[in-house]
Amino acid sequence: SQKIEQNSEALNIQEGKTATLTCNYTNYSPAYLQWYRQDPGRGPVFLLLIRENEKEKRKERLKVTFDTTLKQSLFHITASQPADSATYLCALDIGGSYIPTFGRGTSLIVHP
Amino acid sequence: SQTIHQWPATLVQPVGSPLSLECTVEGTSNPNLYWYRQAAGRGLQLLFYSVGIGQISSEVPQNLSASRPQDRQFILSSKKLLLSDSGFYLCAWRGQASNQPQHFGDGTRLSIL
Repeated sequence: SQKIEQNSEALNIQEGKTATLTCNYTNYSPAYLQWYRQDPGRGPVFLLLIRENEKEKRKERLKVTFDTTLKQSLFHITASQPADSATYLCALDIGGSYIPTFGRGTSLIVHP
Repeated sequence: SQTIHQWPATLVQPVGSPLSLECTVEGTSNPNLYWYRQAAGRGLQLLFYSVGIGQISSEVPQNLSASRPQDRQFILSSKKLLLSDSGFYLCAWRGQASNQPQHFGDGTRLSIL
């Protein structure tokens, strides 16, 4: 079965720096990879989706890369702000399936 | 625009009592619907999903059940709650087309005493 690994340790960075979060997967490559943000006590909120034939996707200060050779996706937040502090989840979808597989998420803490 | 409503936000129930959590979606038709449970510091555990009215698939055997009486209504139930049912329950919907993201409700924090 598909396994997803996200760093369980919180990532602490200083405001203004670029935060980089990692999502590694095993087995088959997904058709799509998604990133979500989750605040405490709230449901995850969809941020970005990247397809297997795309290397990079951007949205404002967010950037996602997808390397099917390394079986890895990187999620970047540039010019990070304390308001970016949250848990970020990646999810893989093999396409044609109704059920994405979620990672456990990585907590990001941006210090002012 | 599409919205998802989930209630109640918090619930405290005694062991052995019944449960009913409700989720409704507005602004879309024939969505795929999902119930997840999230334990503290853990990932999302898929409990049930539905691709249409009356069609429920269970991912984890447990004392919970789900029903979809209407196209945009998804209900999570239990006849007798266990202590282990405590957790954060999330409802989500997704469009039928491929490459669609999931959209989550704000969750229900369920505490069993």
